[in-house]
Amino acid sequence: TQLLEQSPQFLSIQEGENLTVYCNSSSVFSSLQWYRQEPGEGPVLLVTVVTGGEVKKLKRLTFQFGDARKDSSLHITAAQTGDTGLYLCAGKNTGGFKTIFGAGTRLFVKA
Amino acid sequence: NAGVTQTPKFQVLKTGQSMTLQCAQDMNHEYMSWYRQDPGMGLRLIHYSVGAGITDQGEVPNGYNVSRSTTEDFPLRLLSAAPSQTSVYFCASSYSDLPYSTGGTEAFFGQGTRLTVV
Repeated sequence: TQLLEQSPQFLSIQEGENLTVYCNSSSVFSSLQWYRQEPGEGPVLLVTVVTGGEVKKLKRLTFQFGDARKDSSLHITAAQTGDTGLYLCAGKNTGGFKTIFGAGTRLFVKA
Repeated sequence: NAGVTQTPKFQVLKTGQSMTLQCAQDMNHEYMSWYRQDPGMGLRLIHYSVGAGITDQGEVPNGYNVSRSTTEDFPLRLLSAAPSQTSVYFCASSYSDLPYSTGGTEAFFGQGTRLTVV
């Protein structure tokens, strides 16, 4: 069974601080996605990374896919209260149609 | 553009009852899936479908049935509800689940159904 482990599980920071969350696996994924979920809503896609070593930037968010395509990180610069939410990574396996989700990192940004 | 619509939003069942969670999408997506979300466990795949008439099991299929008679609809049936099935259920659709699809692999999620089995 492929597993995606996210760390930390919970993060509470002050507005303006930087943070990094991690998504790790012992399995290789063909692609990896990051989603953000707000209470009472479904997850919404932030980014998809496909190539090992790939780095994508989305305003203050920087996403990196590990060289071996087993891990990924999400870095947020100068966090804002609007960044508060549950961040989920999801990996697509190399052989089939299944997508595996990590348990998520719950981020709380205080004003 | 409605996207993915799930009904109902909330449901309380008694142990042993059956029910169907509805999911419909209007984006002509081939790939649809059902997940359950439990605290600390993320989203776990129950069943998925790569097109009308084709379904397969995910990680946690026991106690659930699905069918896909049309591209738009993908209902999830609970055959005999158990307290362990108390969860939030999400339906998702995407153009394709192939990693390099030019149509994109973004999954669009419904707003979820919060199910309590007592």
